[in-house]
Amino acid sequence: GAVVSQHPSRVICKSGTSVKIECRSLDFQATTMFWYRQFPKKSLMLMATSNEGSKATYEQGVEKDKFLINHASLTLSTLTVTSAHPEDSSFYICSAPKLAGENEQYFGPGTRLTVT
Amino acid sequence: EDQVTQSPEALRLQEGESSSLNCSYTVSGLRGLFWYRQDPGKGPEFLFTLYSAGEEKEKERLKATLTKKESFLHITAPKPEDSATYLCAVQAQGFQKLVFGTGTRLLVSP
Repeated sequence: GAVVSQHPSRVICKSGTSVKIECRSLDFQATTMFWYRQFPKKSLMLMATSNEGSKATYEQGVEKDKFLINHASLTLSTLTVTSAHPEDSSFYICSAPKLAGENEQYFGPGTRLTVT
Repeated sequence: EDQVTQSPEALRLQEGESSSLNCSYTVSGLRGLFWYRQDPGKGPEFLFTLYSAGEEKEKERLKATLTKKESFLHITAPKPEDSATYLCAVQAQGFQKLVFGTGTRLLVSP
């Protein structure tokens, strides 16, 4: 069964508004979670590494003030897209290793964001 | 910079027609190479992890192999339900993050 869940699965918002996406680990604790973005027919691009109890680490070119990450508990990380614009429309996916330091990462089902 | 290149970009097979997908990589010390399957509108589903050259892993009609420069995903006698995008990713020593290729879109016709 699923080990990582995301909510919502789809969201449509107006330009200039903010949207929060949740990523939850099911039946395990995740000190680290990863946030990816995927454009149509493109690969997954890592945006940031979310660390429980500390600041997220952002990849080069990703605006930390625009994509706010909060990892307040061992089972929940949130990604907030602030002041969303149409170019932020994408498929956002989170992942987590089931065991700390484990190589294998389990992915959530993804969130389709459409900004109008 | 770690890089992953997958080929072909798209592949159309008849049911039962075996083939291979390629994943070429450059990484500063390989910690692991991963294969995932992704269906449209879904998150990637884990298939295999390979750690060292010469390693092979199998699951149903799929077999993954690894050399120092590339990995192959062999599909034997595919069925229509094998249609999906297959993603390859590498993880470098000392890092947890994955670097993905652009994937191979596989379509298996009955």
